[in-house]
Amino acid sequence: GAGVSQSPRYKVAKRGQDVALRCDPISGHVSLFWYQQALGQGPEFLTYFQNEAQLDKSGLPSDRFFAERPEGSVSTLKIQRTQQEDSAVYLCASSPSIDTQYFGPGTRLTVL
Amino acid sequence: AQKVTQAQTEISVVEKEDVTLDCVYETRDTTYYLFWYKQPPSGELVFLIRRNSFDEQNEISGRYSWNFQKSTSSFNFTITASQVVDSAVYFCALIGGYNKLIFGAGTRLAVHP
Repeated sequence: GAGVSQSPRYKVAKRGQDVALRCDPISGHVSLFWYQQALGQGPEFLTYFQNEAQLDKSGLPSDRFFAERPEGSVSTLKIQRTQQEDSAVYLCASSPSIDTQYFGPGTRLTVL
Repeated sequence: AQKVTQAQTEISVVEKEDVTLDCVYETRDTTYYLFWYKQPPSGELVFLIRRNSFDEQNEISGRYSWNFQKSTSSFNFTITASQVVDSAVYFCALIGGYNKLIFGAGTRLAVHP
């Protein structure tokens, strides 16, 4: 079956631009997670959805970061007024419940 | 606090050597889950194994084996007879609150022909 997909795979933005990153989870998976992975580091948690409800956003680094999952399926991570420190790979994962998380290929964001 | 430590930053071996990747974790939870993921150069995180805190049985899957010891808070991963295709970054992770994964810094494994 289809895995988690993310788009775009690569995004280059000028400092100050807004970006939107999309995640399509595995069909039927209730839980959806966003992680940020800086170069040479392990992924770090950003936010968690159970269906359309955002239950934990404690990892979002600033109020420039916003995530939504309005219909409990596709999710979008939006970063406003991008800064150079936002450059990273953004990983999306989905899970059927309290279980293994399956990751997408990630979106590599480069802010110039 | 919950934490995962992978003390080995990089390991380099020659094909057919056995290699063990170390993972030490910290948690106050009595029920928890531990994971290993592989991240090849393509970048996607590939799930390898999940263990829960009540199951300390070692597990073997082909050339891969895992040694979970609660007494030392360790969950080590061994690759037997390593191959070039095993070259990747390997992450150990712990489930924390709201099911978020807490990752170690990763161990980069290079297997040379």
